[in-house]
Amino acid sequence: EPEVTQTPSHQVTQMGQEVILRCVPISNHLYFYWYRQILGQKVEFLVSFYNNEISEKSEIFDDQFSVERPDGSNFTLKIRSTKLEDSAMYFCASSPRTGSGGYTFGSGTRLTVV
Amino acid sequence: QKEVEQDPGPLSVPEGAIVSLNCTYSNSAFQYFMWYRQYSRKGPELLMYTYSSGNKEDGRFTAQVDKSSKYISLFIRDSQPSDSATYLCAGRGSNYKLTFGKGTLLTVNP
Repeated sequence: EPEVTQTPSHQVTQMGQEVILRCVPISNHLYFYWYRQILGQKVEFLVSFYNNEISEKSEIFDDQFSVERPDGSNFTLKIRSTKLEDSAMYFCASSPRTGSGGYTFGSGTRLTVV
Repeated sequence: QKEVEQDPGPLSVPEGAIVSLNCTYSNSAFQYFMWYRQYSRKGPELLMYTYSSGNKEDGRFTAQVDKSSKYISLFIRDSQPSDSATYLCAGRGSNYKLTFGKGTLLTVNP
């Protein structure tokens, strides 16, 4: 079964450093998403991306965050200057279209900011 | 008011029991409803997807949506120890954003 692949599975970084989280969505999917889950909290929407541009973003997705699809297969989330409160599981998801169907999530990257 | 509310449990049942998991939501714009299963430190795995009100069955799983009362349910028949996980309900409107409940931790005891 096709799956969304995320790397790395765990990243530790110092506060103030930049991190890039990587995702390979399912190959025929057109819509891509990032969600995050702080330990013990809900899964929260960050951003959606379609046709090489952001289609929607949440209040969490401020100027410190950016997304990019640098080639035909990868989808990245960059956090420019990490804060302690950015520590969370970050999930990438994709869907073939937005009109129907659930989204397929990756296994996540656990980001720890120290 | 929280958009999607879900009893966090934990819920513990014996193997073979029928499990009922429930959520309420407040956003009238929600049209699509999903149930995800999440194992510890893993990504959410899509179990059921429904559009608008009604029932949908897939094997041992049945999802129900009642838009008039803003209530969504997941039933698991003949529960197995491998069903032990956190179950997340989610809804969305015509936009891209899924809004999740906090999840219910289910343990099925052999």
